[in-house]
Amino acid sequence: DIQMTQSPSTLSASVGDRVTITCRASQSISRWLAWYQQKPGKAPNLLIYKASSLESGVPSRFSGSGSGTEFTLTISSLQPDDFATYYCQQYSSYATFGQGTKVEIK
Amino acid sequence: QVQLVQSGAEVKKPGASVKVSCKASGYTFTTNAIHWVRQAPGQRLEWMGWINAANDNTKYSQKFQGRITITRDTSASTAFMELSSLRSEDTAIYYCARDSVAYYYGSGSFFDYWGQGTLVTVSS
Repeated sequence: DIQMTQSPSTLSASVGDRVTITCRASQSISRWLAWYQQKPGKAPNLLIYKASSLESGVPSRFSGSGSGTEFTLTISSLQPDDFATYYCQQYSSYATFGQGTKVEIK
Repeated sequence: QVQLVQSGAEVKKPGASVKVSCKASGYTFTTNAIHWVRQAPGQRLEWMGWINAANDNTKYSQKFQGRITITRDTSASTAFMELSSLRSEDTAIYYCARDSVAYYYGSGSFFDYWGQGTLVTVSS
């Protein structure tokens, strides 16, 4: 199975900050990576797929990059609605998720 | 608009089975696979399996093989996930999710629409 590891596990930031979350795969997954946002009590919401493609309706302050084994999710200017937990997911072989990164208010 | 609406919370005793439903609307049910993903308290999301809504083919994660059955009723646009031999570690929120790509039934998927989740509690 392909293992996914995110860092950091928790991130404290302020509104307006630039935020970067890293996701590493245990083997190459090309660009078969998605990012989701999850708020408490809600289902995950798709943000990005194929490492850098923005899902329709997602604000442009979200962006993704990377290929192979290392990927990043960047929020260019953190907004109040962005405080949530973020998960990466590989889909090179079925689906496995990272452990999540909680973005909290500093 | 696409919606996946799941059945309500369940409380089960160890050793029992649970069956969760997922009713789809807003698109043609048979064009996209339906996946099941669970999230135990404080744990990461975990993919369990999927069903090809058009022809009933299924694929399960090895972790759940032998305990999970995913079915569908095309007349009701509904998918079902049954998990048997429940243990306390199966306490989790169970989500159905739509495969993002129509007519794709391969070995890797991401998910564009999710159900609201169903809490299954396993306790004696």
